[in-house]
Amino acid sequence: QKEVEQDPGPLSVPEGAIVSLNCTYSNSAFQYFMWYRQYSRKGPELLMYTYSSGNKEDGRFTAQVDKSSKYISLFIRDSQPSDSATYLCAMRANTGTASKLTFGTGTRLQVTL
Amino acid sequence: GAVVSQHPSWVICKSGTSVKIECRSLDFQATTMFWYRQFPKQSLMLMATSNEGSKATYEQGVEKDKFLINHASLTLSTLTVTSAHPEDSSFYICSARIAPSRNEQFFGPGTRLTVL
Repeated sequence: QKEVEQDPGPLSVPEGAIVSLNCTYSNSAFQYFMWYRQYSRKGPELLMYTYSSGNKEDGRFTAQVDKSSKYISLFIRDSQPSDSATYLCAMRANTGTASKLTFGTGTRLQVTL
Repeated sequence: GAVVSQHPSWVICKSGTSVKIECRSLDFQATTMFWYRQFPKQSLMLMATSNEGSKATYEQGVEKDKFLINHASLTLSTLTVTSAHPEDSSFYICSARIAPSRNEQFFGPGTRLTVL
């Protein structure tokens, strides 16, 4: 079993829809959670960063972390065609020896006109 | 936000040659830099972690003599693919973290390597 599970998609939604992207994980030591957006042939861009459980909102994006369920989500409101990309969840434990990020496989999102 | 650059953005080389990729943090000092590799439609695979002034730590299965990493300053890390072969063709991405206590990681735009 992978440490981080993410549905690869593709996920196709119409413009204006609310998108829900999710990851589950098995390592209870993960404390820091990130969402990255990656356009084709580009490096990942940090979208959201949260620590421990809770919600965080930034514009059309909302990140949720439920540590009790080992489940994180990214919501995109009023989705736009420019949101079409691969979304990667990533997480990190709060220990020095595990200071590297563990990534999900990424979910490919297509927002259609 | 923090900006990380990579050079070159793409490179084509003959089998057996060596290729150097540079990663720079443009507006911050990076105590730690990471090198990733990504195959088409797959996620990022961490190759190695480098801290400024010390030897890189390689992930299991990554040949340190083939993928030479140098983190000579707080703003520059280089990855050299030695004696490249077609199976080394991939998308190489570097990432930088400002300090061990900061958890955000910022990625470069990536370098596409094609070995003929």
